[in-house]
Amino acid sequence: DSGVTQTPKHLITATGQRVTLRCSPRSGDLSVYWYQQSLDQGLQFLIQYYNGEERAKGNILERFSAQQFPDLHSELNLSSLELGDSALYFCASSAQISTNEQFFGPGTRLTVL
Amino acid sequence: AQSVTQLGSHVSVSEGALVLLRCNYSSSVPPYLFWYVQYPNQGLQLLLKYTTGATLVKGINGFEAEFKKSETSFHLTKPSAHMSDAAEYFCAVSGSSSGTYKYIFGTGTRLKVLA
Repeated sequence: DSGVTQTPKHLITATGQRVTLRCSPRSGDLSVYWYQQSLDQGLQFLIQYYNGEERAKGNILERFSAQQFPDLHSELNLSSLELGDSALYFCASSAQISTNEQFFGPGTRLTVL
Repeated sequence: AQSVTQLGSHVSVSEGALVLLRCNYSSSVPPYLFWYVQYPNQGLQLLLKYTTGATLVKGINGFEAEFKKSETSFHLTKPSAHMSDAAEYFCAVSGSSSGTYKYIFGTGTRLKVLA
């Protein structure tokens, strides 16, 4: 158990819909990362937050957004969903800076029908 | 800018044989290097990391990796493969560029262990 929790574990929705994925980092970790993992694209870094502020951005679509709240939990919002958004979405957390190892949650499997 | 290249998306070894998974990196600053493992339907977990100091790094489950600056490599090895080592392995590099830390993962190598 990494100490990172993600909800829900599975999510099935239809094209055009909007969903919110939630992540609680390990106790004391200030950085949260979001990743998308699919068979054709591999593991893609989406976005990083540090203590509530956006720190780095990767291959995140404009239809996707995220935020980190004062209690350090984070949410990833995916809107206008397309079939190609079906993937595993991982959240990871780390202590203060990106040179530390990341602790990954179990992931949310999103299926868009 | 940083990048990571993992040679071989699939590697097969016999049980008891040497495991060698290759990782080459590019970094304009001193890198921090990591190997992660992902078992089916799970998140990634850290195997080992190199930050500074000794270039041979030992990790969990009998894995080790050696940082070779001259070759810009950080290959992962294990002397004797076990069936339970079958998983996907990711190399990652981290470092600061213009005040921003970036964490880059390789594309992964799926290890198959044959009985």
